Amino acid sequence: AQSVSQHNHHVILSEAASLELGCNYSYGGTVNLFWYVQYPGQHLQLLLKYFSGDPLVKGIKGFEAEFIKSKFSFNLRKPSVQWSDTAEYFCAVNARGATNKLIFGTGTLLAVQP
Amino acid sequence: GAVVSQHPSRVICKSGTSVKIECRSLDFQATTMFWYRQFPKQSLMLMATSNEGSKATYEQGVEKDKFLINHASLTLSTLTVTSAHPEDSSFYICSAPSEAGVQETQYFGPGTRLLVL
Repeated sequence: AQSVSQHNHHVILSEAASLELGCNYSYGGTVNLFWYVQYPGQHLQLLLKYFSGDPLVKGIKGFEAEFIKSKFSFNLRKPSVQWSDTAEYFCAVNARGATNKLIFGTGTLLAVQP
Repeated sequence: GAVVSQHPSRVICKSGTSVKIECRSLDFQATTMFWYRQFPKQSLMLMATSNEGSKATYEQGVEKDKFLINHASLTLSTLTVTSAHPEDSSFYICSAPSEAGVQETQYFGPGTRLLVL
């Protein structure tokens, strides 16, 4: 069965600090990978996704993620966070060739202090 | 981008009553929609896949008779929580892929917060 783990449950950073959120998945086949963000009181929004090609994916708002197949990882990064990045971040996976159903990680709550 | 709406946004009901939650794709058709449940400070757990014109597919451990899903049209799926109990209180979220296929982006609804007294 597929599973996704996010190691950081809570992260607190000051503005301009760099961010890296870990995501590892467990699945033997080929996967599509996603990062979603949920701002306070809002619905989930897609930050970025990886299907194939360049393993370094750039998303919205200056976020990027790198797929490292050998490590089964898809870590999210941002070189300089802003207060407005305060939100909960979810890594998600679906098995390529299967249905569209997503398996989510437990989420990481990021608080950026001004 | 594609928009998915949910109604109601929040509902409070008495134990033993049934509650219906609607999920609509507003500017696209969705042959498949997904229903998730999110507990406080936890991740989204997939409950079931709603299929237009056929039966829903439920994840392991989800009671089919408890959570009735109907995908009546290409833009509407409903989740009915039957004989709700306090332990059913949660945040229910639906999603839909914007296009048919297996590599499309999911668009999420804003969620429905259910509180069963």
